[in-house]
Amino acid sequence: SAVISQKPSRDICQRGTSLTIQCQVDSQVTMMFWYRQQPGQSLTLIATANQGSEATYESGFVIDKFPISRPNLTFSTLTVSNMSPEDSSIYLCSVRRGLIETQYFGPGTRLLVL
Amino acid sequence: ILNVEQSPQSLHVQEGDSTNFTCSFPSSNFYALHWYRWETAKSPEALFVMTLNGDEKKKGRISATLNTKEGYSYLYIKGSQPEDSATYLCASNNNNDMRFGAGTRLTVKP
Repeated sequence: SAVISQKPSRDICQRGTSLTIQCQVDSQVTMMFWYRQQPGQSLTLIATANQGSEATYESGFVIDKFPISRPNLTFSTLTVSNMSPEDSSIYLCSVRRGLIETQYFGPGTRLLVL
Repeated sequence: ILNVEQSPQSLHVQEGDSTNFTCSFPSSNFYALHWYRWETAKSPEALFVMTLNGDEKKKGRISATLNTKEGYSYLYIKGSQPEDSATYLCASNNNNDMRFGAGTRLTVKP
């Protein structure tokens, strides 16, 4: 298993500002991901956070908008840049140890952009 | 592009009723099917991981089946309780690409 913490747990932000979300895992994991869930929609993969190299972004997500850092195998950050109300979502950090292993999730960061 | 579909979108049942939901997923390059339970303000909690056609898993009153040839999985809850109220997500791992369905939101009324 893996225990994942995220900070902040929730925030209310103004349009045009940026927010950095932190993800800490209690043990080293190879695969780490960032997801978001917009209201009424499924979990959508934003990117895979790669240790020591640039993140791999899914179609529709770009590094300028969602810069990601992964300095080691237990920590990652996701920044939501130049926020707009459309960025209001739950953002979740997730890890998986192997190809068919269980994927574990953090508690999520609930973001509201006014 | 993977397409994982879940039905129904939401479900309201009375305490004591048994219920089931469906997850359909692409059968090509299939690795694993995951079921999660997601309560409001909590992390999604892993329920089952299934990989083989015909797999059946059980945890207490909750069980799941898998058909990889036709690309569907069923989740069953026997004797629903109010604490079972949550969103149930399925996710399909195809060729190491994991995609989630939109979930089935279950409400169990006392």
